[in-house]
Amino acid sequence: GQQLNQSPQSMFIQEGEDVSMNCTSSSIFNTWLWYKQEPGEGPVLLIALYKAGELTSNGRLTAQFGITRKDSFLNISASIPSDVGIYFCAGLFGTYKYIFGTGTRLKVLA
Amino acid sequence: EAQVTQNPRYLITVTGKKLTVTCSQNMNHEYMSWYRQDPGLGLRQIYYSMNVEVTDKGDVPEGYKVSRKEKRNFPLILESPSPNQTSLYFCASRPGIVLYGYTFGSGTRLTVV
Repeated sequence: GQQLNQSPQSMFIQEGEDVSMNCTSSSIFNTWLWYKQEPGEGPVLLIALYKAGELTSNGRLTAQFGITRKDSFLNISASIPSDVGIYFCAGLFGTYKYIFGTGTRLKVLA
Repeated sequence: EAQVTQNPRYLITVTGKKLTVTCSQNMNHEYMSWYRQDPGLGLRQIYYSMNVEVTDKGDVPEGYKVSRKEKRNFPLILESPSPNQTSLYFCASRPGIVLYGYTFGSGTRLTVV
């Protein structure tokens, strides 16, 4: 099956730093979603992107739908300890199937 | 509260002993899906259902069965579990309008010894 490549796989950052991660594929996607999974819980939707080039924010989080429709980016500004978790991207392939990325594990050092 | 509920949260079983993981949603969603999460592999779809009595294989269906007799329930059945099915499993549901994405349950951690 298809999968999306996320990078980095994991990262340690200092509290207050900005974080960037991305999701890439060789296929074109029609919608991009970003989820966060906290320890012991299921993924929770953070941001949805519907058009190429779209930039959408949710608090300190900003995500972009890549112009080529083959990638997406998530930025977290001024990270705090509660940002720790695994961040997943998901791309809508065709009209009904979501493909999930491999995840970026974020650890924030206070 | 709108949610997806799956049970049990943790399960340890022996090879070959049939088990069922239940999943229920209270949002009247058409689509339901099962995923497994393994380190480095992300979330992989096992089976999905587009509505009652309509199910189809995902990317990793081998060794699993599902049924959708009622709109709210979508149980995952392992007829003869094997150690390679040790994983973290998530049930998820979404509306028929695909743009809204999935709502996930809290997960079931399964260990097969």
